[in-house]
Amino acid sequence: AAGVIQSPRHLIKEKRETATLKCYPIPRHDTVYWYQQGPGQDPQFLISFYEKMQSDKGSIPDRFSAQQFSDYHSELNMSSLELGDSALYFCASSLEGGRRTEAFFGQGTRLTVV
Amino acid sequence: AQTVTQSQPEMSVQEAETVTLSCTYDTSESDYYLFWYKQPPSRQMILVIRQEAYKQQNATENRFSVNFQKAAKSFSLKISDSQLGDAAMYFCAYRILRNEKLTFGTGTRLTIIP
Repeated sequence: AAGVIQSPRHLIKEKRETATLKCYPIPRHDTVYWYQQGPGQDPQFLISFYEKMQSDKGSIPDRFSAQQFSDYHSELNMSSLELGDSALYFCASSLEGGRRTEAFFGQGTRLTVV
Repeated sequence: AQTVTQSQPEMSVQEAETVTLSCTYDTSESDYYLFWYKQPPSRQMILVIRQEAYKQQNATENRFSVNFQKAAKSFSLKISDSQLGDAAMYFCAYRILRNEKLTFGTGTRLTIIP
């Protein structure tokens, strides 16, 4: 079965650079979530989209932005990167905001800021 | 605000034995879901089991079962016949019905002793 696809799997950026993370949800899933997991930490919710509209917002820095496109894939844009942004970034998808299915997670993008 | 507490940072169990991981949560909501996720060294987040708060019957998935005590706000995971592949970080997570985001506990690292 198709899963959530995240790209790239690994990314190394320098401080103050910009990074774009991509997420392709499971086919027919219309809801996407982004989570950030720092080293040794639990995942923290950043933002979610349902039917291309932002549905909820968590502890996402102002330097980050995200959107969901017409084909339901999502991109997380991160600017002015800081060392503290180094983390594993998960994308998850579900159907109808989790009312029809649970959230299924991608394998994550490991971002390292140097 | 909802919180999820896992008081056991690390646990170990002999292969083929049974282990119980603890989780407590705090909420004023009456309708919610509880989950256990497994994160092996690959860092993939894998859903192990889910419990709806309105269901009195404890969820079971093969060797995994939960003990859900709603009044005590307790949600423990029992792993029977532990296998080497069960070694992972286990996160307890919570979400309310009308909201999609997951709130995670800090995790319990489970080691399986051969």
